[in-house]
Amino acid sequence: AQSVTQLDSHVSVSEGTPVLLRCNYSSSYSPSLFWYVQHPNKGLQLLLKYTSAATLVKGINGFEAEFKKSETSFHLTKPSAHMSDAAEYFCVVSGSYNFNKFYFGSGTKLNVKP
Amino acid sequence: GAGVSQSPSNKVTEKGKDVELRCDPISGHTALYWYRQSLGQGLEFLIYFQGNSAPDKSGLPSDRFSAERTGGSVSTLTIQRTQQEDSAVYLCASSFLSGTQETQYFGPGTRLLVL
Repeated sequence: AQSVTQLDSHVSVSEGTPVLLRCNYSSSYSPSLFWYVQHPNKGLQLLLKYTSAATLVKGINGFEAEFKKSETSFHLTKPSAHMSDAAEYFCVVSGSYNFNKFYFGSGTKLNVKP
Repeated sequence: GAGVSQSPSNKVTEKGKDVELRCDPISGHTALYWYRQSLGQGLEFLIYFQGNSAPDKSGLPSDRFSAERTGGSVSTLTIQRTQQEDSAVYLCASSFLSGTQETQYFGPGTRLLVL
């Protein structure tokens, strides 16, 4: 069965410092993995996705994530946080048998301090 | 082109009443999903439609919940005899089913409050 664990429910960083949002997954097969961002009172927006091409995936707004099969991880990083990055981030894995069924993590709320 | 739209944006209802939530997917998208996001929780999968196949209803929490997708486009999620625990944001997403893992595009959601 597929599942996603986001290890931190809240992360707080200072503006200009690196961001690390952790995600571990379980999947029987090579999964597709996604990160979505949800700003307050806004819809979910795709940040980036991994679909078995390059293991380091670059997304929008300077975010990137690295797929590490040995660690079953897909952590989201950004070198320098901006105030506008404050939002909730969701890690998502697709189904092994049904590629169009998606499993969401519980989310990580990122707070960026000035 | 327009994105996924949902209506109403907000709905307040009394316990025991029925509600209908509507989703208009992106034109040409063959897959449509409904999720529920309760306060402080992640997204909970409810149901998804995939082309002309039978929908996957495995996430529906009770038989009070049902959904239809007419003509392969618009979808309606119906909650009968609403309960206070049904209060949540209901999100719809669509994707283009092409046999590979496709990106979902989300609507803004319907915020449901059951009094």
